[in-house]
Order: sequence, then structure tokens, then C-alpha cells
Amino acid sequence: DGGITQSPKYLFRKEGQNVTLSCEQNLNHDAMYWYRQDPGQGLRLIYYSQIVNDFQKGDIAEGYSVSREKKESFPLTVTSAQKNPTAFYLCASSNGQGETQYFGPGTRLLVL
Amino acid sequence: GNSVTQMEGPVTLSEEAFLTINCTYTATGYPSLFWYVQYPGEGLQLLLKATKADDKGSNKGFEATYRKETTSFHLEKGSVQVSDSAVYFCALWGSNYKLTFGKGTLLTVNP
Repeated sequence: DGGITQSPKYLFRKEGQNVTLSCEQNLNHDAMYWYRQDPGQGLRLIYYSQIVNDFQKGDIAEGYSVSREKKESFPLTVTSAQKNPTAFYLCASSNGQGETQYFGPGTRLLVL
Repeated sequence: GNSVTQMEGPVTLSEEAFLTINCTYTATGYPSLFWYVQYPGEGLQLLLKATKADDKGSNKGFEATYRKETTSFHLEKGSVQVSDSAVYFCALWGSNYKLTFGKGTLLTVNP
């Protein structure tokens, strides 16, 4: 089955800790995206990558970092600089310019 | 900049009722428009899309028409089911090559 997988489903972060969220796709898509979803809010773009070894900041990149070493993988690190990390994080991928995006099941990050 | 405004929820309907969720947008140029659905605890699924004025997107009994004159893309379904209970997001793909989302509308369908 082709699709996008995200792991873990739930993640707990301690104060001052960096955590990494995994996103893998086997759709052979060139572009991948990370969004943050807060209750009652739409999705906000954190980072995106249109090609391997290249990525750009989205609207709320502060406190986050990414890498794109393989076409299939786009991990997101939530650093200790992100003071309000509790949210639902969604990864997406697309072909072409990114108009039609397909989403993974999400990771819920909670702070202990 | 681009923006999407959806009707605020929650929306509560009885099974077999008619559904309308309003969506209007602001964008330069000719954006593509989308409806996504999110079931509890899950990611977003693409429900339907329209890429130019007067196009009608449809899927699973849902439909929406791209109205450029009113900058709208309202979602409709003639007869909702309990299984349609979810959050619905309107979104646009604009000239900035990004998806811009509305805040979402929670729909609850009671048996």
C-alpha cells in the first residue's frame, strides 16, 4: 500500500529536550511538508522540501529543524527553543508544485 | 495575502439532513480550491477539489462549486450520515505556492 507513515503516534517531551518526529512516504513524491495543528485552528506550515537536500522555512519555523537526506524521509526535530510545542503535527507529500497534498496520520506531541 | 474563512462550528445535524458548510476566500490570481476532512485522531484526507472557476468537485456525495464572482467554495451534501461526523477544512493553493487553510468546521451527525 502506498502512503505516508508518521511515528510515533504520541510523543512526550520533557523540559529542555529535543524530540524528533518521523515521516516516511512511499508515494515517490518529490515534495514533503510539515504542519502544526492547534485546537480550533487551521494548519500552519512549519517547513517544506521540494527536493532532496533542500528545504525552506514555512510560516512558523522558529524552534524547529528538518533534514531531507532521502526522498522518502523528512524528519522534524522540535528543539528546546520551541516554548509551546504541544500540538498535533502533520506531515504531507505531493508531486509537482505541491497543489494536491496527501497527509499522514499525525503525531501528537505533549509536554511533561 | 491569501486567506480562507469558514463558517464557525460546531454544526449539529440529524441523519439524512442537508449539509452546507460555507467557505469564502481571498487570493490574488486564480487559486485552486480544496475541501479536506479530518476524522477524530487522524490526519487530513482530500475530499474534493476544483481548479478553475465554475468547476464542481464531488466525492462520496459531497460537492462544491468554485464561484469566482462570490469568491466562494461552499461544501454541500444532500443527506448526511453519522459516519460523516468529522472536521472539514477548506483550503486554497495560491500564487505563493502554499496551501492556506481555514480554521475548520466540526460536524456532528446524530442518529
